Amino acid sequence: NAGVTQTPKFQVLKTGQSMTLQCAQDMNHNSMYWYRQDPGMGLRLIYYSASEGTTDKGEVPNGYNVSRLNKREFSLRLESAAPSQTSVYFCASSDQGWGTEAFFGQGTRLTVV
Amino acid sequence: DQQVKQNSPSLSVQEGRISILNCDYTNSMFDYFLWYKKYPAEGPTFLISISSIKDKNEDGRFTVFLNKSAKHLSLHIVPSQPGDSAVYFCAASAPQGGSEKLVFGKGTKLTVNP
Repeated sequence: NAGVTQTPKFQVLKTGQSMTLQCAQDMNHNSMYWYRQDPGMGLRLIYYSASEGTTDKGEVPNGYNVSRLNKREFSLRLESAAPSQTSVYFCASSDQGWGTEAFFGQGTRLTVV
Repeated sequence: DQQVKQNSPSLSVQEGRISILNCDYTNSMFDYFLWYKKYPAEGPTFLISISSIKDKNEDGRFTVFLNKSAKHLSLHIVPSQPGDSAVYFCAASAPQGGSEKLVFGKGTKLTVNP
């Protein structure tokens, strides 16, 4: 049982380059999330998807786009990377209602130079 | 404006003693509170939760207390073990258009000394 799988695990980008972070879950969860973690800032929500076909902005959505491709997959795209987007990115999924325990992937460490 | 606050960035305790991690929140719509544990280079993992209709939930060495009037919750670890050394995140959820959106605090780094 893989849980939440993120790819890639590490990435270095040059300023202005674009890339897509992939996330897939095999737990049949309805909700999926993208967070970033920065030192001293904790986990901040970028975007989330309550169900297939819906996406909503979180606390720090600027510079990102997302796609809920199907129930399993939720991707995060950086169209024009900036050094301020250097961070560790976590994808998570959860069921709705009670038991909103979220399951996290291992993270993607992104450096923008 | 941060809705979930963990005001202690770090905490150090001796093995066998009690660890108490605190969390305050501002949004009265939160109906579910969770604690996550995170080791370096890993994703956070769920530890324990409590719904807003309860004031205490216990799971082995871990107990979470909720004081709704004070908008405060705490995680007690008794007895603390070196393997408990990690960053602990408090999180809260509120109904949001049919989904539960999770909001996290900044985390508290717990160090348990042998």
